[in-house]
Amino acid sequence: AQKVTQAQTEISVVEKEDVTLDCVYETRDTTYYLFWYKQPPSGELVFLIRRNSFDEQNEISGRYSWNFQKSTSSFNFTITASQVVDSAVYFCALSGWGSGGYNKLIFGAGTRLAVHP
Amino acid sequence: DSGVTQTPKHLITATGQRVTLRCSPRSGDLSVYWYQQSLDQGLQFLIQYYNGEERAKGNILERFSAQQFPDLHSELNLSSLELGDSALYFCASSVGEGISYEQYFGPGTRLTVT
Repeated sequence: AQKVTQAQTEISVVEKEDVTLDCVYETRDTTYYLFWYKQPPSGELVFLIRRNSFDEQNEISGRYSWNFQKSTSSFNFTITASQVVDSAVYFCALSGWGSGGYNKLIFGAGTRLAVHP
Repeated sequence: DSGVTQTPKHLITATGQRVTLRCSPRSGDLSVYWYQQSLDQGLQFLIQYYNGEERAKGNILERFSAQQFPDLHSELNLSSLELGDSALYFCASSVGEGISYEQYFGPGTRLTVT
């Protein structure tokens, strides 16, 4: 079975702090994709990153960085120097051939991040 | 803006009623997905269509049905509505149907059942 676990339900930080959101996944597939989405208070799902299971290189995009470790089945997301605009719910998701070969996304429960001024 | 459109944005209806949610995929995308986000169940996959054919089913209730039309837009029909059906319903689209294709999400339809 495929599963995504985001153990942190809520995180509260003060602006300019660094924060890491954890994501642990389970799959028996050798080929799969991992995603992070942001859901601001307005409700839409904003795509942040997609990572192929064969690419374990860490990625940095501005203040955002992602650490993919297959050995621990984790795909953690770090926001450096957080800002109030980063306040949102963040979802980690997985898709793999174990989903019947089709492209359904399996989402974690989400982590609500509150950044205070 | 992802290019995926969903109508209506908000829908308020009573228990027992039936509603239809509409989704237009991005230009050129053949695959459409429906997801439900509720307080109880979180974000979960409901169903996928590719070029008019059903491809995969998730935890979709029997009271719910969907279809994809020849112009590739999709509709999700929810009937005999219950309070627990109140949720945000997302549509997503992708060019192809396999896992290597990125899904683009629409803004969602917020359904409130009273």
